[in-house]
Amino acid sequence: AQSVAQPEDQVNVAEGNPLTVKCTYSVSGNPYLFWYVQYPNRGLQFLLKYITGDNLVKGSYGFEAEFNKSQTSFHLKKPSALVSDSALYFCAVRAVSSGTYKYIFGTGTRLKVLA
Amino acid sequence: DAMVIQNPRYQVTQFGKPVTLSCSQTLNHNVMYWYQQKSSQAPKLLFHYYDKDFNNEADTPDNFQSRRPNTSFCFLDIRSPGLGDAAMYLCATSRASLGHEQFFGPGTRLTVL
Repeated sequence: AQSVAQPEDQVNVAEGNPLTVKCTYSVSGNPYLFWYVQYPNRGLQFLLKYITGDNLVKGSYGFEAEFNKSQTSFHLKKPSALVSDSALYFCAVRAVSSGTYKYIFGTGTRLKVLA
Repeated sequence: DAMVIQNPRYQVTQFGKPVTLSCSQTLNHNVMYWYQQKSSQAPKLLFHYYDKDFNNEADTPDNFQSRRPNTSFCFLDIRSPGLGDAAMYLCATSRASLGHEQFFGPGTRLTVL
């Protein structure tokens, strides 16, 4: 079965410290991986994606993610966290199911950046 | 700016009273999706349209229906809302090919009294 796992419900990090939000996946074929962020009472906002090419992808607001095929992981990172980064983060994979495309989301990780 | 718009942002309905949520997009994307999201959980896909082709998720209750009269608009109809249908409903769009991300609207928060 195709799936995405985010093993941490919550990640706390001090402002200015590096942050990592973890994501692992299981899909058949080549993975198309995405990170989204959600602020309270808002829709999801796209951060970055991996389709092919360089394993380190850079996205919005200073975020980056590293694709690791052997570990089937796509962890989200940022070198220096800001309080404004506090939000809910979702990892997603786009998969083929019953001949159509759809997105499979992880359960989300709440990031809290402490001042 | 190209975007995904959802109306209303907040909707209150009574138990069993039909309600319609609307979504429009200026991105000209082929695919439109409806998700249900409860209490900061992962969005749960209800159905999606690939152009005019409707794709229902197997576990989407019959109580939920959708219409897409044209490329720009998509509607979510809840025929007889129950208390368990109170949630945030998210509309999203994407281009058809695999590598493209989704663009989300701000969501409609549905309250069922």
